[in-house]
Amino acid sequence: EAGVAQSPRYKIIEKRQSVAFWCNPISGHATLYWYQQILGQGPKLLIQFQNNGVVDDSQLPKDRFSAERLKGVDSTLKIQPAKLEDSAVYLCASSPSSGRGKTQYFGPGTRLLVL
Amino acid sequence: AQKVTQAQTEISVVEKEDVTLDCVYETRDTTYYLFWYKQPPSGELVFLIRRNSFDEQNEISGRYSWNFQKSTSSFNFTITASQVVDSAVYFCALSEDSSGSARQLTFGSGTQLTVLP
Repeated sequence: EAGVAQSPRYKIIEKRQSVAFWCNPISGHATLYWYQQILGQGPKLLIQFQNNGVVDDSQLPKDRFSAERLKGVDSTLKIQPAKLEDSAVYLCASSPSSGRGKTQYFGPGTRLLVL
Repeated sequence: AQKVTQAQTEISVVEKEDVTLDCVYETRDTTYYLFWYKQPPSGELVFLIRRNSFDEQNEISGRYSWNFQKSTSSFNFTITASQVVDSAVYFCALSEDSSGSARQLTFGSGTQLTVLP
């Protein structure tokens, strides 16, 4: 079974530029998550989707971050405009459903460096 | 609010030594789930184990074992006879389940384990 796919793996941009990340979850997984992991810290949830609907985006900086999950499968996370403090690893995860304690499986992440 | 504390920032051991990674959690829910993930240098978070709050049995999987104690709100992870390939950052995480739906994972800050040859 293929795991969670993410692209690109690395991205370097200048501040105020825009960037987009792509995620393809494990086949059949209804729930998709985007996390931000700053160096030396644990991942922090940005947004959670159930199929193509948003379940929780309370920690998403909506003035600059946006995410969508069209057709309930792939998802994109966009930052516009980027700030220096957005330098982090962006992790995508998926789980079978929004049921009790479902295990989340993570992709390899996208390492973003904002100069 | 839920919180996970991993007090050990870095641990260094020599190969074949046993090592225990500590995890202490806080939650007001009676139903919750605890997880351990491994993050090697490649960056991907690898799932190791999930426990629910009603199952306090310790678990052993090969060289890995987990000690869950609700009385002390701890979920510690022991690697027996450590190997160089065990070098990674290990994260403990908590998911509350008060509404019956999957909640976000709250991660600790991680423990960097280095196993020296």
